[in-house]
Amino acid sequence: DTAVSQTPKYLVTQMGNDKSIKCEQNLGHDTMYWYKQDSKKFLKIMFSYNNKELIINETVPNRFSPKSPDKAHLNLHINSLELGDSAVYFCASSQRRSGETQYFGPGTRLLVL
Amino acid sequence: AQSVTQLDSQVPVFEEAPVELRCNYSSSVSVYLFWYVQYPNQGLQLLLKYLSGSTLVKGINGFEAEFNKSQTSFHLRKPSVHISDTAEYFCAVSDPPSGNTPLVFGKGTRLSVIA
Repeated sequence: DTAVSQTPKYLVTQMGNDKSIKCEQNLGHDTMYWYKQDSKKFLKIMFSYNNKELIINETVPNRFSPKSPDKAHLNLHINSLELGDSAVYFCASSQRRSGETQYFGPGTRLLVL
Repeated sequence: AQSVTQLDSQVPVFEEAPVELRCNYSSSVSVYLFWYVQYPNQGLQLLLKYLSGSTLVKGINGFEAEFNKSQTSFHLRKPSVHISDTAEYFCAVSDPPSGNTPLVFGKGTRLSVIA
């Protein structure tokens, strides 16, 4: 069984479109994250939710809006896509306790044309 | 704010040779340290982590890392690499004891194992 799953795996779209990426975890974790990995493989935290509450919101354009309908799901909606949004987006989950291992999804490869 | 420096962006090594991937972090206060591996077109997987206790940490796939507080380093080692170890390796740090602190990643080291 997949622990952290993301859909879609690949997303190719035009500039200006709105798109969503979905993430689900079946590990019973209470905290979920979105990371962005750029073309140089650099990983940066975007958001973190704990029990459906936003706890980390890094400097991310407000075109990006995370939504957590329950603690097993964390979706990412992106409005007015730009070329610079092209990247791999990873969802992860963990227990909130410090030092806990984060488990990553397979990633969503977004290409904006 | 924490930062992580991975000194080598690429490390080529012959199969069955030893390898060391270097990682230094910025803070001298208590930290939690992690090594993750990313195989091609996959997500990240934890190799090992240091929270406290013994400074030599053993992980999966024969990897180990040594925490050195005085040098603020957490270098990853393997005595004999396999072709299957070809991947991107990320060092990461977080601050205890807050559970809110996210992982801060280094820029990664691409390990290429040559047959």
